[in-house]
Amino acid sequence: AQRVTQPEKLLSVFKGAPVELKCNYSYSGSPELFWYVQYSRQRLQLLLRHISRESIKGFTADLNKGETSFHLKKPFAQEEDSAMYYCALLTGANSKLTFGKGITLSVRP
Amino acid sequence: NAGVTQTPKFRILKIGQSMTLQCAQDMNHNYMYWYRQDPGMGLKLIYYSVGAGITDKGEVPNGYNVSRSTTEDFPLRLELAAPSQTSVYFCASRITLGTADGYTFGSGTRLTVV
Repeated sequence: AQRVTQPEKLLSVFKGAPVELKCNYSYSGSPELFWYVQYSRQRLQLLLRHISRESIKGFTADLNKGETSFHLKKPFAQEEDSAMYYCALLTGANSKLTFGKGITLSVRP
Repeated sequence: NAGVTQTPKFRILKIGQSMTLQCAQDMNHNYMYWYRQDPGMGLKLIYYSVGAGITDKGEVPNGYNVSRSTTEDFPLRLELAAPSQTSVYFCASRITLGTADGYTFGSGTRLTVV
């Protein structure tokens, strides 16, 4: 069965510091991975998808199949990055998303 | 397009009461999903649907029911509310074509069962 692991619940950094939010997955097929962001009490929004290899709001994420990881990175954190971040794995013919437990990123001024 | 619309936004239920959480999308998406979000637990899939008339159980379906009579609507029914169903519920939809797209989420329904 597929699984997404986000090992940390909380990451607190100062503004301007680098950020790395960890995500590991377990899946026997070809993975499709996403990062979603949820700002305070709002809906989840798609931040990044691995297949697009894009950079959004300064965030990047690279799929490492050897390490089964999809870590989210940003070189210089901003206060507006404070939010909950979820890593998610899309699997199966029915396109079900399996989510990690999420991590709260807090960026202090 | 309004996207995915959920109603109500907030609700307090007494134990044993029933209610329906509404979800509607105007993007002609085939796939729709219901998730519940609990602190420290992430999102768990309750039910999903791949098209009108077709529904299937997700990871945590007990205590819930769904129907999909139209492409646009995917209501979630709680028949006998229990405190364990206190949660934030998110509906989502997805187009079938292409694998680069993720889900579009609604704004959520915050349910408290007392």
